[in-house]
Amino acid sequence: ETGVTQTPRHLVMGMTNKKSLKCEQHLGHNAMYWYKQSAKKPLELMFVYNFKEQTENNSVPSRFSPECPNSSHLFLHLHTLQPEDSALYLCASSQVVGGGGTDTQYFGPGTRLTVL
Amino acid sequence: GQNIDQPTEMTATEGAIVQINCTYQTSGFNGLFWYQQHAGEAPTFLSYNVLDGLEEKGRFSSFLSRSKGYSYLLLKELQMKDSASYLCAVEDSNYQLIWGAGTKLIIKP
Repeated sequence: ETGVTQTPRHLVMGMTNKKSLKCEQHLGHNAMYWYKQSAKKPLELMFVYNFKEQTENNSVPSRFSPECPNSSHLFLHLHTLQPEDSALYLCASSQVVGGGGTDTQYFGPGTRLTVL
Repeated sequence: GQNIDQPTEMTATEGAIVQINCTYQTSGFNGLFWYQQHAGEAPTFLSYNVLDGLEEKGRFSSFLSRSKGYSYLLLKELQMKDSASYLCAVEDSNYQLIWGAGTKLIIKP
């Protein structure tokens, strides 16, 4: 148990659907991250929140919309996705951003997303 | 551009030693991380190096040479449960983690 939970674990959606992914961390951290993991490709950083403020948005299409209501919760809202968006979506948290070893990231189990 | 290179796949025998290499070219350097990821599971933190040299943690050790842009993860006394992907990641000058594609390690009896 890593202290970072994600729901749902699996999601199948059509291209016209709207769904949300949820992440919660129980580690008292102040930074949270969304990553996309596709087979045999490096982890792709999507969004970073530090003390509830978004600090990074790595050219992610607008059909992905993050929300961070507090330091413990992070959402990824999905709408009009494409089949190429099918992947494992991982949430992570760290104590802070840019803290040397204290910004070690701890990951949730991920949501396996399939877009039909 | 920023780049992390590591072998795609390695095979080793139970009880043996294996070394997984990682080379990097990044905009700045604020540390190098190794993570282990079993199939279908979350990546879990193994080690962090920011200074040159060897860090030992039980059966696992990690080495860093900043001048060469090089690191390795050394796994001793391999066990079947060590079969997993091993991810190398470098924190750049913007404190973003740049990730390698991972090395899939297969352990044979």
